[in-house]
Amino acid sequence: KQEVTQIPAALSVPEGENLVLNCSFTDSAIYNLQWFRQDPGKGLTSLLLIQSSQREQTSGRLNASLDKSSGRSTLYIAASQPGDSATYLCAVSGNRDDKIIFGKGTRLHILP
Amino acid sequence: EAQVTQNPRYLITVTGKKLTVTCSQNMNHEYMSWYRQDPGLGLRQIYYSMNVEVTDKGDVPEGYKVSRKEKRNFPLILESPSPNQTSLYFCASCVGGVNSPLHFGNGTRLTVT
Repeated sequence: KQEVTQIPAALSVPEGENLVLNCSFTDSAIYNLQWFRQDPGKGLTSLLLIQSSQREQTSGRLNASLDKSSGRSTLYIAASQPGDSATYLCAVSGNRDDKIIFGKGTRLHILP
Repeated sequence: EAQVTQNPRYLITVTGKKLTVTCSQNMNHEYMSWYRQDPGLGLRQIYYSMNVEVTDKGDVPEGYKVSRKEKRNFPLILESPSPNQTSLYFCASCVGGVNSPLHFGNGTRLTVT
């Protein structure tokens, strides 16, 4: 059974710093990995999707990498801003059963 | 505007009273799914559908039913709600299977007393 883990559960960093969020998964048989952002009381917004054949995806200050063989992904946020404060979740889509499994998220707080 | 719409946003009900949470998307997406989000447990998939008349169980399907009679709608049915189904529920959809970004609704906060 696929399991997705995100460490740390919470992170506080000063504004302007670069930071890395981690995601690991146990079964490498995946279609893709997605990173999402969730603001309090709101739904999830897709940030980046990396297909299993890709190594990384970039959008603005965000860069996500995927190492499928080791079951790891990172989300790199450059020059963090207070508006980046949110919970970030990763999710993997399995190619055995089409389920989408989420990690529990990392709650990020950017200190002004 | 492309969106996934859930209704209602908030619902308080009593044990055993059947309820339906609706989900509709206007993006012609084939894949639709329901999740529940609980503190400490994260998002867990309840049911998903790859297309009309095709539904499959996620990781926590017990106590829930779904149907996919039309491509745009994917209602979640609780035949006999119990307090352990108190949770925040999200509907999501995407294009052509699962190799595309998931679009989420704004959530339904359900309380069962």
